[in-house]
Amino acid sequence: DIQMTQSPSSLSASVGDRVTITCQASRDISNFLNWYQHKPGKPPKLLITDASNLETGVSSRFSGSGSGTDFTFTISSLQPEDIATYYCQHYEYLPPTFGGGTKVDIK
Amino acid sequence: EVQLVESGGGLVQPGGSLRLSCTASGFTFSSHSMNWVRQAPGKGLEWVSYISSSSSTIYYADSVKGRFTISRDNAKNSLYMQMNSLRAEDTAVYYCARTPYASSWSVFDYWGQGTLVTVSS
Repeated sequence: DIQMTQSPSSLSASVGDRVTITCQASRDISNFLNWYQHKPGKPPKLLITDASNLETGVSSRFSGSGSGTDFTFTISSLQPEDIATYYCQHYEYLPPTFGGGTKVDIK
Repeated sequence: EVQLVESGGGLVQPGGSLRLSCTASGFTFSSHSMNWVRQAPGKGLEWVSYISSSSSTIYYADSVKGRFTISRDNAKNSLYMQMNSLRAEDTAVYYCARTPYASSWSVFDYWGQGTLVTVSS
């Protein structure tokens, strides 16, 4: 199975800050990577597909980049409603696996 | 509006069985493949199983293979997971998750609220 390693596991930032999360795959997955937002008590929400394609209706504050083994997820200006845990997920081959998650908090 | 509503979770003893259901609305259920994804307490997300729109293709995670059975009834807009020989490590919130395509497990675009399964004596 492909291992997905996210860092950091948690972070605290101020409103308006730029927030960056990294996701590293244990082997080359091209751009077969998705990002999800998960708020407590809510279902996960798909934000980005194919490493950098923003889902329709998702705020342009969110962006993704990368290919191969190294990927980045960015919130350009952190807002209170962005408090959540963020997960990367590969789909290079079965099984699709998720990163361990990054919990984002407001400082 | 796409809605996925899971049910059937609860407390079960190790070795026991449980059947989860997921009722879909707001989209053409028979045109989409479906998945179960779980989250153990304090842990991350783990993909469990996939079924194509016509039920012709099914996949399982190694951790549940031989114990869990996924199925669907397109006439009832419903997805199921029969869970047998349950273990403590199966304790988790179980989500049903849709994929945007008839036969792909690559991305999960809508998720239900989840149902909690607790395996404990």
